[in-house]
Amino acid sequence: ENQVEHSPHFLGPQQGDVASMSCTYSVSRFNNLQWYRQNTGMGPKHLLSMYSAGYEKQKGRLNATLLKNGSSLYITAVQPEDSATYFCASGGSYIPTFGRGTSLIVHP
Amino acid sequence: DTAVSQTPKYLVTQMGNDKSIKCEQNLGHDTMYWYKQDSKKFLKIMFSYNNKELIINETVPNRFSPKSPDKAHLNLHINSLELGDSAVYFCASSQESLALETQYFGPGTRLLVL
Repeated sequence: ENQVEHSPHFLGPQQGDVASMSCTYSVSRFNNLQWYRQNTGMGPKHLLSMYSAGYEKQKGRLNATLLKNGSSLYITAVQPEDSATYFCASGGSYIPTFGRGTSLIVHP
Repeated sequence: DTAVSQTPKYLVTQMGNDKSIKCEQNLGHDTMYWYKQDSKKFLKIMFSYNNKELIINETVPNRFSPKSPDKAHLNLHINSLELGDSAVYFCASSQESLALETQYFGPGTRLLVL
């Protein structure tokens, strides 16, 4: 069975800190890994995609790295508006598999 | 303009009832999905349709029946609702289905079965 696991489940940095989270995946056929962000009461929104181990991507204050069987996401200088749940998703056998996410709450 | 829309946003109903959720996308995508998100935020795919044809059915009880009248619409009908069906249901779409494409999610339908 395809699985995606997140660590940590909850994160509570102070405004201006760096938030660090990661996920590991076990999928039968890897195609790419994606990060999504979900604000309360809304649907997930795609942040970025990565395609092979060693791949790094920066998007604004987001920095992501794809490792073998996992990924790390860093958010620099976190702001209260970054508070959300962050999901990692991977495609095994073309079936999108999501983890339970990391809930980020930024304290002012 | 709303890219992926769902109706209703909230649905409260009694056990045993039948209900439907509607989804529409105006992105011109070929593939649409239904996901279920439980109270612990676990997001699990239920169905995937490509050009009105079912391509993924992830061990969902047959009380759940998706229908795609055209590639812009994917509706979900649920028969004989059970307490465990309470969750948030998300519709999503993507350009293709042959690989893990970027998923565009709707706002969700919050279903509460009493």
